[in-house]
Amino acid sequence: NAGVTQTPKFRILKIGQSMTLQCTQDMNHNYMYWYRQDPGMGLKLIYYSVGAGITDKGEVPNGYNVSRSTTEDFPLRLELAAPSQTSVYFCASSYKGRNLSNQPQHFGDGTRLSIL
Amino acid sequence: KQEVTQIPAALSVPEGENLVLNCSFTDSAIYNLQWFRQDPGKGLTSLLLIQSSQREQTSGRLNASLDKSSGRSTLYIAASQPGDSATYLCATNPGGSGNTGKLIFGQGTTLQVKP
Repeated sequence: NAGVTQTPKFRILKIGQSMTLQCTQDMNHNYMYWYRQDPGMGLKLIYYSVGAGITDKGEVPNGYNVSRSTTEDFPLRLELAAPSQTSVYFCASSYKGRNLSNQPQHFGDGTRLSIL
Repeated sequence: KQEVTQIPAALSVPEGENLVLNCSFTDSAIYNLQWFRQDPGKGLTSLLLIQSSQREQTSGRLNASLDKSSGRSTLYIAASQPGDSATYLCATNPGGSGNTGKLIFGQGTTLQVKP
């Protein structure tokens, strides 16, 4: 089972460039999340989605955009890359049915992004 | 605003020792608390999820407890092995309107188990 797949695994960008980090899951999860992890730190939530067509901001959304046109895919876009966006980006997904408790989040292996 | 703290930041123990990792959080209004394992260069793997109404969860040699009133959770690892070496993160799903599963993470405890 593929689970959560993130591409690319590594990328180097120049300041001001744009790119899209891809995330897809094959578990039919309704909830999806984007986090960033800076060295020696925990993860911080960038954006999340509770279903196709529904997205909302997390703790650190500035400089990023997302879309959720299908259940499977949740791409993260950087429009004008800045050095402060150098980080490791993780996509995660989980399932929550109505009146049911949250299930554990499943994570991809991450995208390591450097902005120079 | 919910804050999650993990102490110590790093821990080194000999193989076979029982150990406890600590996690504290500032707001007791949570839906659940999760413990994750992260290996170098990899994503996070969920270890245990404790719902707000539960006091503990167990999986093999792992036992996690939750005390909302004191804002604390512990992860107990029995008979540690070198393969347990990794970074362990705890995260709370804070309460509020609409349970969207958002997680607030601690900084993690990096565990080294020496043979």
